[in-house]
Amino acid sequence: ELKVEQNPLFLSMQEGKNYTIYCNYSTTSDRLYWYRQDPGKSLESLFVLLSNGAVKQEGRLMASLDTKARLSTLHITAAVHDLSATYFCALPQEGGSEKLVFGKGTKLTVNP
Amino acid sequence: SQTIHQWPATLVQPVGSPLSLECTVEGTSNPNLYWYRQAAGRGLQLLFYSIGIDQISSEVPQNLSASRPQDRQFILSSKKLLLSDSGFYLCAWSATYPGPRVASNQPQHFGDGTRLSIL
Repeated sequence: ELKVEQNPLFLSMQEGKNYTIYCNYSTTSDRLYWYRQDPGKSLESLFVLLSNGAVKQEGRLMASLDTKARLSTLHITAAVHDLSATYFCALPQEGGSEKLVFGKGTKLTVNP
Repeated sequence: SQTIHQWPATLVQPVGSPLSLECTVEGTSNPNLYWYRQAAGRGLQLLFYSIGIDQISSEVPQNLSASRPQDRQFILSSKKLLLSDSGFYLCAWSATYPGPRVASNQPQHFGDGTRLSIL
């Protein structure tokens, strides 16, 4: 059974600082997704990572995937208040499945 | 472009009352459809998954049911709501998985959600 662990679960940081959110998973997977959720809102897709070593960047966010270590990271560069949200990673329940297992989420608060 | 509509946005229901939440997708054919529940401050739990009309798998035992009467319509129902049914319900769709040797590069796309409070 796939287990997905994110850490930290809560992250409070100052504007302008850098930080990394980690997503560890227990079984091999061919892809990994990152989502963002603003308070009281739905989920928005950020990144789809398909292969070992994949790196994708959008603005101040950069996601990477290491399938051998079963680890994905979401790096935040020079955080701004608008990045305050909860970030989820998710993977397919099993090979070839479209059913996703989500991590518990990392609630990020960026303080001025 | 594809869009997903979910309604109502907010619902307050008494314990024991019935429930019907609706989700429709536009701009795509034969989508995979999903119902998730998110309890306050927690992650998402997959409730139902559908690959086609009348083809629905239930992921967790519960007093909820789902139906897919049309290709792009997904309905979440209950005959009698429990207090524990409170939460944020999200409908999502994804493109049909291309095959075992071709990883899907498309994420799931979520509706705006329904916030359900049971009194």
